[in-house]
Amino acid sequence: DAGVIQSPRHEVTEMGQEVTLRCKPISGHDYLFWYRQTMMRGLELLIYFNNNVPIDDSGMPEDRFSAKMPNASFSTLKIQPSEPRDSAVYFCASSRATGGSGNTIYFGEGSWLTVV
Amino acid sequence: AQTVTQSQPEMSVQEAETVTLSCTYDTSENNYYLFWYKQPPSRQMILVIRQEAYKQQNATENRFSVNFQKAAKSFSLKISDSQLGDTAMYFCAFMKHAGSQGNLIFGKGTKLSVKP
Repeated sequence: DAGVIQSPRHEVTEMGQEVTLRCKPISGHDYLFWYRQTMMRGLELLIYFNNNVPIDDSGMPEDRFSAKMPNASFSTLKIQPSEPRDSAVYFCASSRATGGSGNTIYFGEGSWLTVV
Repeated sequence: AQTVTQSQPEMSVQEAETVTLSCTYDTSENNYYLFWYKQPPSRQMILVIRQEAYKQQNATENRFSVNFQKAAKSFSLKISDSQLGDTAMYFCAFMKHAGSQGNLIFGKGTKLSVKP
């Protein structure tokens, strides 16, 4: 099976520009997560969806961040406007709710964002 | 609130030898999951091994095994016959059994270097 697919892998953008990160979860997974990794804060959960519905967005840092999941196979994380402090690796991940490997979260390769 | 502590920021081991990475956690929950993830220089987060708290038997995956001590809230990872490809950051993570799908609480990580 294909894993979690993220794009772009790397992006360099100027402060103030809009950034859109994309994710395709593993087929059949009910949950989709967006995590952010920085040196200062480590890995932190931004938001997660269950069956395309946002369940917990308490980790989203501010209104400049938004996430959508229009269908079971696609999600976006948007930053508008971007700031240098948003520079980080953004991970998309997915999991099944039940079953032998339920609750195990599988990560994509990450999108490395640099805002200059 | 749950916390995960990895007390070894960096470790090194000679190729073919055995190394143990430490992890302790704090929780009042009785049922939960514990994970070890590996992050090589490529930055991808790769699941190494998973343990369910209600299972007394320690999980094993080929050269990787854990020592799960529930009463002590300890979850160490043992890597046998270390290989150069094991060089990576290793993250210990905790997740409650129910009601918090996706909210992995990560430790700060241990940087492991395998030397030839």
